[in-house]
Amino acid sequence: DAKTTQPTSMDCAEGRAANLPCNHSTISGNEYVYWYRQIHSQGPQYIIHGLKNNETNEMASLIITEDRKSSTLILPHATLRDTAVYYCIVRAAHSGGGADGLTFGKGTHLIIQP
Amino acid sequence: NAGVMQNPRHLVRRRGQEARLRCSPMKGHSHVYWYRQLPEEGLKFMVYLQKENIIDESGMPKERFSAEFPKEGPSILRIQQVVRGDSAAYFCASSPPNKREMGYEQYFGPGTRLTVT
Repeated sequence: DAKTTQPTSMDCAEGRAANLPCNHSTISGNEYVYWYRQIHSQGPQYIIHGLKNNETNEMASLIITEDRKSSTLILPHATLRDTAVYYCIVRAAHSGGGADGLTFGKGTHLIIQP
Repeated sequence: NAGVMQNPRHLVRRRGQEARLRCSPMKGHSHVYWYRQLPEEGLKFMVYLQKENIIDESGMPKERFSAEFPKEGPSILRIQQVVRGDSAAYFCASSPPNKREMGYEQYFGPGTRLTVT
């Protein structure tokens, strides 16, 4: 799996958009970009994933650059409950469904300020 | 639709005892994954199972640890003769069976916090 690089920590004001960057310059053509987050002491929570196109769901938007070497997770209106460690993970899917485990790096500790 | 369930949520064992951690995947999910998170460290993959089969155990310690996902009932992570270094949060995740699209997500449970005294 391709390696990802994320800032160690970021601050964002409550109500503002939080933009979390991720570099994955060695990503392969069949690898997806996944985002998870872990709120203190809880299990990781899936946020979003994408391959080439930008994606949006009820939680966030994922912007992937045209060359796919980097991406940005956007939380449009951050709240205090969005304070968590955010993990960007690059992973190939397997044609048979399911896959091996995810490789979590250190992630970005996002702190939402009141 | 209930999420991934794990029990117990907290488990205290003395050194040398056995620990059994249970995971019930989301309804309809047939893939289960176990992860371990040591204090102040990131999550590490341990094992991936489908019903009655271990698919990938590359992250499992070679000794004392075993996992199963029987045809009926929850997945079990078993740690024999626990040591203090086994104290950690153990998370289970599940994902749905084969999907046509090439991306999928894993849904995590709340974890079991194991403390070895």
